[in-house]
Amino acid sequence: GAVVSQHPSRVICKSGTSVKIECRSLDFQATTMFWYRQFPKQSLMLMATSNEGSKATYEQGVEKDKFLINHASLTLSTLTVTSAHPEDSSFYICSAVDSNEKLFFGSGTQLSVL
Amino acid sequence: GNSVTQMEGPVTLSEEAFLTINCTYTATGYPSLFWYVQYPGEGLQLLLKATKADDKGSNKGFEATYRKETTSFHLEKGSVQVSDSAVYFCALSEGGAAGNKLTFGGGTRVLVKP
Repeated sequence: GAVVSQHPSRVICKSGTSVKIECRSLDFQATTMFWYRQFPKQSLMLMATSNEGSKATYEQGVEKDKFLINHASLTLSTLTVTSAHPEDSSFYICSAVDSNEKLFFGSGTQLSVL
Repeated sequence: GNSVTQMEGPVTLSEEAFLTINCTYTATGYPSLFWYVQYPGEGLQLLLKATKADDKGSNKGFEATYRKETTSFHLEKGSVQVSDSAVYFCALSEGGAAGNKLTFGGGTRVLVKP
């Protein structure tokens, strides 16, 4: 079946640094990818919709200057957490939509900001 | 807005026990409903879905029925196995297809002991 690779699976960084998370569709092209965040014991919250070749659409309350999304190709979307702070520590998950509108998820990235 | 509420875990069961995970939702329209499963170290996978009232989704021995009158989509399995240990997420989509934006519940961790 279709696979979405998300990297890294776990990252620890110092406060004030930036972290990039990659989401790749390995065997299909994805014009649309989604980025979610999950805090402990809470729901996955949609952060933004990433569209290939255009600007991402951010959900209300998500700072677009803090969470930079780049969907430069049909198989890659990246999420960069800029100037990370401890409150950004969370589990980030991406998903990608194939041509049949089926959704496939990455395995997630656990970000810990010290 | 839309919301999904599911029972908190962890749920610990013995092999061959009956599993129920409750899920209720709030939506403005007529959503499609989904159950996703996340096995350790893997991405979320679609387990089953139902797109209209009274539909029953089923897969791998799991079942869930779309109950519009109670706005529920409870997940059941008659006899669980150790391999069913995972986190289960209930979700809805107003767009009618998995490729649209999903609203997730908080997830329920299930641990099946031999």
